[in-house]
Amino acid sequence: KAGVTQTPRYLIKTRGQQVTLSCSPISGHRSVSWYQQTPGQGLQFLFEYFSETQRNKGNFPGRFSGRQFSNSRSEMNVSTLELGDSALYLCASSTGQGTGELFFGEGSRLTVL
Amino acid sequence: GNSVTQMEGPVTLSEEAFLTINCTYTATGYPSLFWYVQYPGEGLQLLLKATKADDKGSNKGFEATYRKETTSFHLEKGSVQVSDSAVYFCALSDYNQGGKLIFGQGTELSVKP
Repeated sequence: KAGVTQTPRYLIKTRGQQVTLSCSPISGHRSVSWYQQTPGQGLQFLFEYFSETQRNKGNFPGRFSGRQFSNSRSEMNVSTLELGDSALYLCASSTGQGTGELFFGEGSRLTVL
Repeated sequence: GNSVTQMEGPVTLSEEAFLTINCTYTATGYPSLFWYVQYPGEGLQLLLKATKADDKGSNKGFEATYRKETTSFHLEKGSVQVSDSAVYFCALSDYNQGGKLIFGQGTELSVKP
């Protein structure tokens, strides 16, 4: 069974640009969650999508957005990038039946210059 | 709000030493508790979980018991190996919160031969 796939793995952007990250969940999983990991703030929840609907949202500004497609693949977008957005962005998939057992991808490492 | 507090790292041990990583939580209701592990350059993997008070989660020689009276979920292993070197995260999930986990700051473990 293929795991969670995130693309791209690494990317470099400059301040003010926007970025789109992609996540393909495990086959059959309907929930996709996104997390931001930084040395200072640790792992912080961004949002969760279930069956194409945002089900939960963390405390991030509106520059962070996401969506989920009918095949459960998800994208997240960050607009007007700031230096502080440099982080590892992790995607996790699950069945969506809430025991919190998430399966994580290897992440997309974003560097903002 | 809900939160998780872990002992700070890094923790350095010799091979075959006993490991304890402390984790305490604050939550309303009856959360599920988890330990995730992150090996260098990889995403997070679920190590073990417990969904109700007095449950003991175990996997790969690691154990943790859900203690409601002390709001704790300490991770233990009787004899660590070099291959256990990683960052360990304690996390909680509120009932019906789906893919939203609240993580502790992580504890880096380094095991020396």
